[in-house]
Amino acid sequence: DGGITQSPKYLFRKEGQNVTLSCEQNLNHDAMYWYRQDPGQGLRLIYYSQIVNDFQKGDIAEGYSVSREKKESFPLTVTSAQKNPTAFYLCASSIFGSGGRNTEAFFGQGTRLTVV
Amino acid sequence: SQQGEEDPQALSIQEGENATMNCSYKTSINNLQWYRQNSGRGLVHLILIRSNEREKHSGRLRVTLDTSKKSSSLLITASRAADTASYFCATDNSGNTPLVFGKGTRLSVIA
Repeated sequence: DGGITQSPKYLFRKEGQNVTLSCEQNLNHDAMYWYRQDPGQGLRLIYYSQIVNDFQKGDIAEGYSVSREKKESFPLTVTSAQKNPTAFYLCASSIFGSGGRNTEAFFGQGTRLTVV
Repeated sequence: SQQGEEDPQALSIQEGENATMNCSYKTSINNLQWYRQNSGRGLVHLILIRSNEREKHSGRLRVTLDTSKKSSSLLITASRAADTASYFCATDNSGNTPLVFGKGTRLSVIA
């Protein structure tokens, strides 16, 4: 099956700890994205990558880091600098720049991160 | 930055009725998309309408786009309990920029 997989589904973080959320896709998409969702806030963009070894900050990048060493993978690290990390994190992928026209994004099932 | 703003924030209807959700945005767009999210799950793409299109249909879904008013509407006809979900509009202002999502409309369809 083609798709985008996030793991784990639930994650608990202690104060001062870094945690990494996994996102893998086998859709051969160039572009990958991380969004954060808080209740009533919709989706806010954290980071995105349109090509391997390159990524861009989104609206709320502070306290987060990413890497894009492989086309299939775009892990997100929530660092101890992120003071309010409890949220639902969504990873997505899409075809990049297809003739200048954006195409649909495919989403993973999300990771719910809770600070304990 | 939130580009799209859905209206209403929440909508409750009886099964069989039509549901209409609206989305307003601020800057010019390349295309507008609608997504659905079941509680605690990822988003699923419903329909994409390009800036040079005015109306699009897909099954029980009808989307309109008015670029002069910077607004779009999503109509779900003959709603079913299984349509209960949150619905989001998303926009991009070029083919190379990430989608920007609104806050969504929570639809409840009562059987």
